[in-house]
Amino acid sequence: AQKVTQAQTEISVVEKEDVTLDCVYETRDTTYYLFWYKQPPSGELVFLIRRNSFDEQNEISGRYSWNFQKSTSSFNFTITASQVVDSAVYFCALSDRDKIIFGKGTRLHILP
Amino acid sequence: EAQVTQNPRYLITVTGKKLTVTCSQNMNHEYMSWYRQDPGLGLRQIYYSMNVEVTDKGDVPEGYKVSRKEKRNFPLILESPSPNQTSLYFCASSWTSGGGDQYFGPGTRLLVL
Repeated sequence: AQKVTQAQTEISVVEKEDVTLDCVYETRDTTYYLFWYKQPPSGELVFLIRRNSFDEQNEISGRYSWNFQKSTSSFNFTITASQVVDSAVYFCALSDRDKIIFGKGTRLHILP
Repeated sequence: EAQVTQNPRYLITVTGKKLTVTCSQNMNHEYMSWYRQDPGLGLRQIYYSMNVEVTDKGDVPEGYKVSRKEKRNFPLILESPSPNQTSLYFCASSWTSGGGDQYFGPGTRLLVL
């Protein structure tokens, strides 16, 4: 069975600090996809990134970076030089070809 | 503008009174899905559809029905709502099956009394 674990329920950091959100997944499939979504206080869900199981390259997008490691079944998300606007709930998700499983989310507070 | 719309956005109803939450997307996406979001539980998939007339159960399908008669629409039906279905519901769509980037609707907040 597929499973996504976001062990950090809530994190608070001071603005400009770096912060890493952890995501550990379980699947028996060899082909799968991993995602991160952001849910700001306004409530909408915003897609951040998708990774397929054959692409272990890390990715950087501005202050955001993602570290995918199949050896540890992890897909961690780092925000560099955090800003108050990064305050949100972040969800990691795993998909095979049809079902999608979300983690329970990590609530991130960026303190001014 | 590419979007997923849901209606209604807020709904208060009573136990047992059938209701439908509509979901529509204008991006010609094949894959559509319904989720419920509850505090501490994250998002859980209720039903998904790979294409027209193709639907399947997610992790929490009990008490819900869906249909996919047209590509753009994917309504969620609660035949006999119960208080434990009080939740925030999201519809989503993507170009392809689970591997696609999902676009989410704005959410429907449902309260069942």
